[in-house]
Amino acid sequence: DGGITQSPKYLFRKEGQNVTLSCEQNLNHDAMYWYRQDPGQGLRLIYYSQIVNDFQKGDIAEGYSVSREKKESFPLTVTSAQKNPTAFYLCASSHVGIRSEKLFFGSGTQLSVL
Amino acid sequence: DAKTTQPTSMDCAEGRAANLPCNHSTISGNEYVYWYRQIHSQGPQYIIHGLKNNETNEMASLIITEDRKSSTLILPHATLRDTAVYYCIVRVPDSGGGADGLTFGKGTHLIIQP
Repeated sequence: DGGITQSPKYLFRKEGQNVTLSCEQNLNHDAMYWYRQDPGQGLRLIYYSQIVNDFQKGDIAEGYSVSREKKESFPLTVTSAQKNPTAFYLCASSHVGIRSEKLFFGSGTQLSVL
Repeated sequence: DAKTTQPTSMDCAEGRAANLPCNHSTISGNEYVYWYRQIHSQGPQYIIHGLKNNETNEMASLIITEDRKSSTLILPHATLRDTAVYYCIVRVPDSGGGADGLTFGKGTHLIIQP
């Protein structure tokens, strides 16, 4: 079945540590996105990528980094510069252009700080 | 993107129709209305979208007022599994071949009562 897979489901970070969240899709989508969600809040866009080897900052990119070396993969690194990383992280993908408003989401990764 | 206003929460009895309102009084002529929902601890799921005509699919119906300043998402026979946060989003579809993500507000928390 086609879909978008995030791993791990739960992740713990120690102070000063970088951690990487995985996102893989087999929907043949060009665009991929990372969102952050805090309890009781909406989703905030961290980074997005419209094509391989290219990505743009979203609304809250500070303290995060991404790469897009393959169409299927868009990993997110939460760096030690992100002082409040505890949140629910969601990855999504879509076609580009006129169909780009129909996003497909993964099941999320809950990141907590030890 | 036009601003949207949704009630914070709503209750509905199981088996009844759930009617979720969204106000978008500043909507422009080429902006569409999109609805997503997010079940607890999962990623959002696309439901339906429309421009000015009423739309129906296997999940829901979307009723847009003639002046397009508000819309209603209708779940015709709500079940307990429809308990979720429902997001109303207004924006112009990207016709330029790009994709820059959607803005998700806090939405409406719909609780289906047994």
